[in-house]
Amino acid sequence: DQQVKQNSPSLSVQEGRISILNCDYTNSMFDYFLWYKKYPAEGPTFLISISSIKDKNEDGRFTVFLNKSAKHLSLHIVPSQPGDSAVYFCAATGNNRKLIWGLGTSLAVNP
Amino acid sequence: DSGVTQTPKHLITATGQRVTLRCSPRSGDLSVYWYQQSLDQGLQFLIQYYNGEERAKGNILERFSAQQFPDLHSELNLSSLELGDSALYFCASSVGDRGDPDTQYFGPGTRLTVL
Repeated sequence: DQQVKQNSPSLSVQEGRISILNCDYTNSMFDYFLWYKKYPAEGPTFLISISSIKDKNEDGRFTVFLNKSAKHLSLHIVPSQPGDSAVYFCAATGNNRKLIWGLGTSLAVNP
Repeated sequence: DSGVTQTPKHLITATGQRVTLRCSPRSGDLSVYWYQQSLDQGLQFLIQYYNGEERAKGNILERFSAQQFPDLHSELNLSSLELGDSALYFCASSVGDRGDPDTQYFGPGTRLTVL
């Protein structure tokens, strides 16, 4: 049973446009959400996070939005750059701080 | 470069065998985490060690075991290997016990292929 779902396995976007990656979760006990980026042959690297007490967190070109009532979060990348091409993982955690991961969305940013 | 090293990078073995994966955390990090990433399951948390002691357990099979040594490096032992154990195994490290999720640093992974 996937508690964290990334329903789009892949996404293709033109350079300079907005990339929107979506993530849904089922466990209402999750209180902290993260996005990681992964390049081939490397481990995941932390990108941005959001606590359940907020509905938005911004860091440069990256913004994460959280809609608790819909149990949905999204990552916006504006403007998208070719170097953003990677697999993006959504992860969630609760009190025990064990990370529960989605299956990832592969983003391709085309020049 | 995250500062976390994992060896070997690739491992090919046969069913029924036993293998050991090794991880060296970032300098100063006391916690080590092991994750398994298979094609259809995403990243699954296996186990966490903090300063030599087991701290948290996830979906780790009984055929798998891990330990963290006094020098803080960790080993993940996989025995009686099955085809389904073929996956990428990641190690991550963090400074503290609580392992704030956004400060986990991942190694490049070990790709295990069981034939």
